Amino acid sequence: AQKVTQAQTEISVVEKEDVTLDCVYETRDTTYYLFWYKQPPSGELVFLIRRNSFDEQNEISGRYSWNFQKSTSSFNFTITASQVVDSAVYFCALLRGSSNTGKLIFGQGTTLQVKP
Amino acid sequence: EAGVVQSPRYKIIEKKQPVAFWCNPISGHNTLYWYLQNLGQGPELLIRYENEEAVDDSQLPKDRFSAERLKGVDSTLKIQPAELGDSAVYLCASSLGGTGGEEQYFGPGTRLTVT
Repeated sequence: AQKVTQAQTEISVVEKEDVTLDCVYETRDTTYYLFWYKQPPSGELVFLIRRNSFDEQNEISGRYSWNFQKSTSSFNFTITASQVVDSAVYFCALLRGSSNTGKLIFGQGTTLQVKP
Repeated sequence: EAGVVQSPRYKIIEKKQPVAFWCNPISGHNTLYWYLQNLGQGPELLIRYENEEAVDDSQLPKDRFSAERLKGVDSTLKIQPAELGDSAVYLCASSLGGTGGEEQYFGPGTRLTVT
């Protein structure tokens, strides 16, 4: 079975704090893809990053960084020096690669509130 | 480049009434998806199109839901008749298609309220 768990339902931080959003996934596939999306109050899901199962290299993009560890089936997302504009719901998602169903399996999301 | 366009953004109807949602994907994207997002949940796939063909509709409640993508571009999702439990956000997404694993780009969604 494919599953994504985001154990943190809500996180509240003060601006400029660092914050890490956890994501744990389950799959028996050897080929798969992991994603993070941001959903601001406007409702549109914004693509942030994609990782395939063969690439465990961590990635940094500005204030955002991602830590992919197959050994613990985790794909965590860190925002450094958070800003009010980072307030949103963040979703981690899994896509099977072997059967190419195109079906993104989302976690339940983590609501991040950044206070000024 | 324009993103995924959806209309209407909001819709309020009474139960048992029909409703339709429209989606225009990003130009050149062959794959189109409809997702359902309940409050406080992640989106769940309803149907996926590769060009005109519905290649995965296993999650679509076919007794009341239908979808079409006649010319392989824009798509319509219909509910007839609507039930109270259908109140949710309906998201459309698109991707280039063909290679597998590519990112999906989402529209703003249609928020449906059934009273």
